[in-house]
Amino acid sequence: QKEVEQDPGPLSVPEGAIVSLNCTYSNSAFQYFMWYRQYSRKGPELLMYTYSSGNKEDGRFTAQVDKSSKYISLFIRDSQPSDSATYLCAMMGGATNKLIFGTGTLLAVQP
Amino acid sequence: EAGVVQSPRYKIIEKKQPVAFWCNPISGHNTLYWYLQNLGQGPELLIRYENEEAVDDSQLPKDRFSAERLKGVDSTLKIQPAELGDSAVYLCASSLGDSIQFFGPGTRLTVL
Repeated sequence: QKEVEQDPGPLSVPEGAIVSLNCTYSNSAFQYFMWYRQYSRKGPELLMYTYSSGNKEDGRFTAQVDKSSKYISLFIRDSQPSDSATYLCAMMGGATNKLIFGTGTLLAVQP
Repeated sequence: EAGVVQSPRYKIIEKKQPVAFWCNPISGHNTLYWYLQNLGQGPELLIRYENEEAVDDSQLPKDRFSAERLKGVDSTLKIQPAELGDSAVYLCASSLGDSIQFFGPGTRLTVL
């Protein structure tokens, strides 16, 4: 079993839709949770960063962490074609403090 | 402020040839990482440097891969000899200590 599981998609939604992206994990030592966005042929760029459980909002983006369920989510409101990219969840914590990524979810927002 | 710089952006080589990738981290970032990203997968750590010291190279295939960061700034990752299965994107990232990692654009390697 992988430490971080993420549905690879692809996910296709119409412009303006609410998008929900999710990851589950098995390592209870993870304390830092991140979402990266990766456009085609580009490096990952940090979108959201959360420490421990709770919600964090930044414009159209909301990140949620539920440590009791080992489940994290990213919500995108009023999705735009420019949001079309691969979204990678990542987390770290514990003795190694290594950043572990999910496989990424490919999102396409149709105009 | 300049981000993480990597070169070359693309490289095509024949199997058994050597190849090298270069990374210049964000100014002031003492921690540097090399990641491997296969198609449809998330990045996987190959090696992590804190200044000049490789503090985690457990996932680096040492029979053919090597890396160096001689002056604690730029870094080079080398593969010799390259195999077909090495075709992937090689990402460099940097951070200040254990804080947020910033990624470069990657080098896309194709081994024929």
